[in-house]
Amino acid sequence: GENVEQHPSTLSVQEGDSAVIKCTYSDSASNYFPWYKQELGKRPQLIIDIRSNVGEKKDQRIAVTLNKTAKHFSLHITETQPEDSAVYFCAAMGGNNRLAFGKGNQVVVIP
Amino acid sequence: NAGVTQTPKFQVLKTGQSMTLQCAQDMNHNSMYWYRQDPGMGLRLIYYSASEGTTDKGEVPNGYNVSRLNKREFSLRLESAAPSQTSVYFCASSGQSYTEAFFGQGTRLTVV
Repeated sequence: GENVEQHPSTLSVQEGDSAVIKCTYSDSASNYFPWYKQELGKRPQLIIDIRSNVGEKKDQRIAVTLNKTAKHFSLHITETQPEDSAVYFCAAMGGNNRLAFGKGNQVVVIP
Repeated sequence: NAGVTQTPKFQVLKTGQSMTLQCAQDMNHNSMYWYRQDPGMGLRLIYYSASEGTTDKGEVPNGYNVSRLNKREFSLRLESAAPSQTSVYFCASSGQSYTEAFFGQGTRLTVV
């Protein structure tokens, strides 16, 4: 099955700086790559996603890039704010709708 | 719309006891999932159901069984609970292929 890896595990950034989280996946048949944000004690919620026919997608301060050849995708958060502090999960979905997640990254925004 | 509803929110079991976690969605989604979340381990897929009438094993299926009762409901059963199954369990559902998965509020299970 699909194997999704995330690096680094914890990321500390100064408020206003950018944060980048990278993920790799193993199944070349995967076609959908969502990113979820999970605040402490809450359920994961989608923040942005990208499909395999698109190389980059942006939504205000967040963006995702996808390199299908290299099988990696990244989340970019610009102008970080304290409310961006959370755990971020990347995921990959293949043709059978199996949705596999990475281990998550703790992002800490330092005021 | 309630989205994805899980019950119960909290549960304490003794080793060897059985229980069923219930999950229902009202979004007419085809796919449903059960994950467990442990510190440092992310969201690990236990079982999933791509459509009504089908179920498939995920990454960590041992010790669990599932039932896709109908399109709305997907239950997870622990036949003989073990301390290693102490975790937070999330149910999720998604619609057509390559679309957002929505999560329930989670069940915090402790096995003593």
